[in-house]
Amino acid sequence: QSALTQPASVSGSPGQSITISCTGTSSDVGGYNYVSWYQQHPGKAPKLMIYDVSNRPSGVSNRFSGSKSGNTASLTISGLQAEDEADYYCSSYTSSSQRVFGTGTKVTVL
Amino acid sequence: QVQLVQSGAEVKKPGASVKVSCKASGYTFTSYYMHWVRQAPGQGLEWMGIINPSGGSTSYAQKLQGRVTMTRDTSTSTVYMELSSLRSEDTAVYYCARDLEGTRFDPWGQGTLVTVSS
Repeated sequence: QSALTQPASVSGSPGQSITISCTGTSSDVGGYNYVSWYQQHPGKAPKLMIYDVSNRPSGVSNRFSGSKSGNTASLTISGLQAEDEADYYCSSYTSSSQRVFGTGTKVTVL
Repeated sequence: QVQLVQSGAEVKKPGASVKVSCKASGYTFTSYYMHWVRQAPGQGLEWMGIINPSGGSTSYAQKLQGRVTMTRDTSTSTVYMELSSLRSEDTAVYYCARDLEGTRFDPWGQGTLVTVSS
């Protein structure tokens, strides 16, 4: 199972919106609405931000939103804030009932 | 609150085995599957496998088949991940993470650093 493809880095100024893509295949991202997104600050464990493509867990800011089209899922962060600077990973359920992560994206707030 | 607490850091020699524990609290242990995920230094997340704490059934990533074993102890609400024939590439932080509805990982343990070095 190959890792899902994410851009290595994305940056934006405070208040702007950015979008991170996550590209897989019809055997993972495209085949199921089971894409989730995780935020990871340096030295910390990942934190769930979005699940089932576009759902936000309780306590996660509504500045975070998710979507999917075909084999590509996306995470959008609107009203970018300094605290959003972190690594972001997507994950998907797969046709072999396993899980796969994206390559990860470093978000920089300029 | 739901909490996963992992065992402490380990240093192992190449060829040895390591066993990492993850103690769950705040929920019914046997009602939720548990995943193991690892992260090599400066690298991304890698899914290792999943265990059903109720019956003990497991599914492992093909890359680790034959070297990884996941077990559980329902009396202490603890899951274990054992990795054998360690090599330098296994140096990583190992996380346990609870499965929710088969679609996501939440929450995560604090991570356990395993260093493989001669």
